[in-house]
Amino acid sequence: RKEVEQDPGPFNVPEGATVAFNCTYSNSASQSFFWYRQDCRKEPKLLMSVYSSGNEDGRFTAQLNRASQYISLLIRDSKLSDSATYLCVVNTGKLIFGQGTTLQVKP
Amino acid sequence: NAGVTQTPKFQVLKTGQSMTLQCAQDMNHEYMSWYRQDPGMGLRLIHYSVGAGITDQGEVPNGYNVSRSTTEDFPLRLLSAAPSQTSVYFCASTITGGSYGYTFGSGTRLTVV
Repeated sequence: RKEVEQDPGPFNVPEGATVAFNCTYSNSASQSFFWYRQDCRKEPKLLMSVYSSGNEDGRFTAQLNRASQYISLLIRDSKLSDSATYLCVVNTGKLIFGQGTTLQVKP
Repeated sequence: NAGVTQTPKFQVLKTGQSMTLQCAQDMNHEYMSWYRQDPGMGLRLIHYSVGAGITDQGEVPNGYNVSRSTTEDFPLRLLSAAPSQTSVYFCASTITGGSYGYTFGSGTRLTVV
């Protein structure tokens, strides 16, 4: 079983839609959690950290459920520019990446 | 600040050749790591370092060596290149502990023929 698992998608949504990505992790001792965004052939860039209380950054909301070892990312009012691969990342003392979920926002 | 700088950006090697991928950061980050990214596999950790003089293996260390003589530099050496090492390589750094996320270099695209 992979340490961090994501549905690879792709998720194809129209502009303005709300889309949610999920991620599960296997190491219950994981210390911190992140969502990264990666554009085609570019390096990953930190989108947001994920906290147990849930956190929001504009149209993006991240949630963490430690009991279920589950992380989510919600994107509201999708824009064409949100098209990218979203990587779920878990810090176990070193960063472990999920495979990524591809989002394609259509006009 | 330059952030994390990787060189070269592209490289083609013949099977059996050796080379060093360079990584440097100017943010005084203690923690540095190397990942490879292959289609459908996500990013996999090769080696990492928690500070100068300290290195450790990640998920896929075979065929690679690292050293960390300074805080700034963390080179990755391919000892005898194989076609299976064709990949995109990313170097990343962070403040010790990783609670703040990693900063990545722009990557090195390596092809072994």
